[in-house]
Amino acid sequence: DSGVTQTPKHLITATGQRVTLRCSPRSGDLSVYWYQQSLDQGLQFLIQYYNGEERAKGNILERFSAQQFPDLHSELNLSSLELGDSALYFCASSPNTQAIYGYTFGSGTRLTVV
Amino acid sequence: AQTVTQSQPEMSVQEAETVTLSCTYDTSENNYYLFWYKQPPSRQMILVIRQEAYKQQNATENRFSVNFQKAAKSFSLKISDSQLGDTAMYFCAFTSDSGAGSYQLTFGKGTKLSVIP
Repeated sequence: DSGVTQTPKHLITATGQRVTLRCSPRSGDLSVYWYQQSLDQGLQFLIQYYNGEERAKGNILERFSAQQFPDLHSELNLSSLELGDSALYFCASSPNTQAIYGYTFGSGTRLTVV
Repeated sequence: AQTVTQSQPEMSVQEAETVTLSCTYDTSENNYYLFWYKQPPSRQMILVIRQEAYKQQNATENRFSVNFQKAAKSFSLKISDSQLGDTAMYFCAFTSDSGAGSYQLTFGKGTKLSVIP
């Protein structure tokens, strides 16, 4: 157990729907990062939060949004889902904004859009 | 923008043998950090080894070692005495200050390593 908890582990939904992925960072970590892993694109950085505030944005679609709550858990909201959004979504955490020791990853949420 | 390239989509190695996975990166930064992550079939991302760019000494962690060539922007991973449990996807990753002291990891597309009994 890495200490980073992601729920649910698997999600199957229809096109056009909206889903919410949840992440609890490792105890003591203030930064949360979201990544999308697809077969053809590898691991793509979506967004980073630090202590409740958005810190950096990557290749995140406008249909996607995220937030980090006062208890430091984070949610990634995906709306108007398309078949191409099917992927493994990872959450990772680090103690601060300087991930110079790398991240601790959760086990991911497998999203399948049908 | 930084890029990370892993030119070997798939590799295989006999159990107990040694294998080297390649990684190159592109950056104009002088201070940065490099990583190798392992993703076994369980899909959990596991940190294998880390290198600081300002340290010339290559990092080692038990059977895992790196060959860091800063001028060539190369960061290869050597796995000695390969074990069946080493079968996994291996990702090379890079990070530096993207602004205001904030770092994110940029990953290569991965190398699928199979260890053959």
